[in-house]
Amino acid sequence: DAGVTQSPTHLIKTRGQQVTLRCSPKSGHDTVSWYQQALGQGPQFIFQYYEEEERQRGNFPDRFSGHQFPNYSSELNVNALLLGDSALYLCASSSLGYEQYFGPGTRLTVT
Amino acid sequence: KNEVEQSPQNLTAQEGEFITINCSYSVGISALHWLQQHPGGGIVSLFMLSSGKKKHGRLIATINIQEKHSSLHITASHPRDSAVYICAVGVFYVPWGGTSYGKLTFGQGTILTVHP
Repeated sequence: DAGVTQSPTHLIKTRGQQVTLRCSPKSGHDTVSWYQQALGQGPQFIFQYYEEEERQRGNFPDRFSGHQFPNYSSELNVNALLLGDSALYLCASSSLGYEQYFGPGTRLTVT
Repeated sequence: KNEVEQSPQNLTAQEGEFITINCSYSVGISALHWLQQHPGGGIVSLFMLSSGKKKHGRLIATINIQEKHSSLHITASHPRDSAVYICAVGVFYVPWGGTSYGKLTFGQGTILTVHP
């Protein structure tokens, strides 16, 4: 079992650009949650996807959007990047219960 | 005031010492998680608990629902235990006929350094 995988591992973007991050959930999991972790802070909930729909959303602007595919994998899109979007983006998957399994994260640097 | 507060923020110990990290929360929860994060970012779930106590190897987690407080203990600490330990609380909903959903709210983390 590969667990939760995320790609890419690192990337560097320029202010104003757009970025897409990808997540494959743990085998058997149907729910994907995305979190943003700024340096030195705890993760903050962005949104959660289930059955290809956004089911719950945290306090993030509309520049942050997502998608879930029929195979339960998910994408996080961020438009019009700001310097403050530089962070570690974590994906977590779950199914039928409360326990979430985390991926290794994607470190985004906006210059 | 944050919904989830951890203490201490930084903790330094000598190898072999008994370590305690505390977590207090202000909302009703479905479950509480203790997570470990090493440099580089990856998060590993150590425990998920909604009552009582759980033990795994040298790690022990307890929760007191009435007092809204949880502790993570590490016995016989080792330098490889050095990491950031994060408490997260979850409020989950189970719609009829559906799967549970909800978000985790995280504490700011405790940076643990264990010296040989």
